[in-house]
Amino acid sequence: NAGVTQTPKFQVLKTGQSMTLQCAQDMNHEYMSWYRQDPGMGLRLIHYSVGAGITDQGEVPNGYNVSRSTTEDFPLRLLSAAPSQTSVYFCASSRDRERNTIYFGEGSWLTVV
Amino acid sequence: KNQVEQSPQSLIILEGKNCTLQCNYTVSPFSNLRWYKQDTGRGPVSLTIMTFSENTKSNGRYTATLDADTKQSSLHITASQLSDSASYICVVRLPGNTPLVFGKGTRLSVIA
Repeated sequence: NAGVTQTPKFQVLKTGQSMTLQCAQDMNHEYMSWYRQDPGMGLRLIHYSVGAGITDQGEVPNGYNVSRSTTEDFPLRLLSAAPSQTSVYFCASSRDRERNTIYFGEGSWLTVV
Repeated sequence: KNQVEQSPQSLIILEGKNCTLQCNYTVSPFSNLRWYKQDTGRGPVSLTIMTFSENTKSNGRYTATLDADTKQSSLHITASQLSDSASYICVVRLPGNTPLVFGKGTRLSVIA
């Protein structure tokens, strides 16, 4: 049981480049989300999904896109990378949005130069 | 002002000692309050989840308490081990379609 798997672990991008962070879970969870973690700040929600075909914006959605074509996968796309998007990104999943344990991936370290 | 404030920011203790981490929140009402452990370079891992009606929840050597009157939660770690060295994050779930509110965490270092 792999849980939540994120790839890549590390990535360096040039300003203006685009890329996709991959996230997959094997727990058949309906709720998935993407967070970013910056020094001195709590985790902040970028986008989330309550099920296949349904996505919505979180607190800091600008510059990011998501899609949810299957229950298992929830990729995060950076459309045109900016230095302000240098951060650690975490994908998370849970059975529902309210009460159940949230499982986080191991993180993706992204540097935009 | 942050809705979830954690203290201390960092803490160093000797192996085998107990410690208590604090979380003060201003949000009310809330659905549940969670504590996570985040090892360096890893994702957060859930320790406890408490609803507003629960006073205490244990997970091995970790015990979380909740005082809804004073809007405080604490995480007590008993007989600390070197592997307890990590950041501990307090998280509040508000009712409705709102994001989780994360504290900035307390960085705990357990030394031999």
